Amino acid sequence: EVQLVETGGGLIQPGGSLRLSCAASGFPVTNNSMTWVRQAPGKGLECISLIYSGGSTDYADSVEGRFTISRDNSKNTLFLQMNSLRAEDTALYYCARAHSTGYVMAWGQGTLVTVSS
Amino acid sequence: IQMTQSPSTLSASVGDRVTITCRASQSISTWLAWYQLKPGKAPNLLIYKASSLESGVPSRFSGSGSGTEFTLTISSLQPDDFATYYCQQYLTYSRTFGQGTKVEIK
Repeated sequence: EVQLVETGGGLIQPGGSLRLSCAASGFPVTNNSMTWVRQAPGKGLECISLIYSGGSTDYADSVEGRFTISRDNSKNTLFLQMNSLRAEDTALYYCARAHSTGYVMAWGQGTLVTVSS
Repeated sequence: IQMTQSPSTLSASVGDRVTITCRASQSISTWLAWYQLKPGKAPNLLIYKASSLESGVPSRFSGSGSGTEFTLTISSLQPDDFATYYCQQYLTYSRTFGQGTKVEIK
């Protein structure tokens, strides 16, 4: 069974850093495209970062230069390093497995990040 | 690519036929997916490639369209279907979503 479990969210001050983790089971992270999608309170969904099976990465303009997606194949885990956090980064962050064509095949339940002083 | 869903909110009763529309700002062929979101639960893929039903999804869900106009139809609304639905284009790497349609109990 495919399962994705996100951890690492919490309350952080503006300008701070957090690292989100996503433990995957039921499939190898290394052979799949993986993505982080977030939903700000009362807002819609935003795809903010992708890592392709070959290792290349993409980022939304809103997080480019501040966030870094990576994976640890030995732990079958996806990460999102978030630096220089802003209030507008407050959101529920979902880890997801993407099909090679681009749609999301499976989602985690999300981890909440709150950026506030 | 901008994705626009309508309506934003829909009130319906169990057994109703429900249709949600998604429009793309430019042609995306059939590179469109539909998802169901419920609070506290992992989102669920319903439809991909505009009209392909994901394995395990009830057949009352169907998708249609191509180019810039797409629809998600629930043929007979069930109590478990009250949720928020999102379309997503995956032609471009930005993978933009619509703003969502909340299906409420009438």
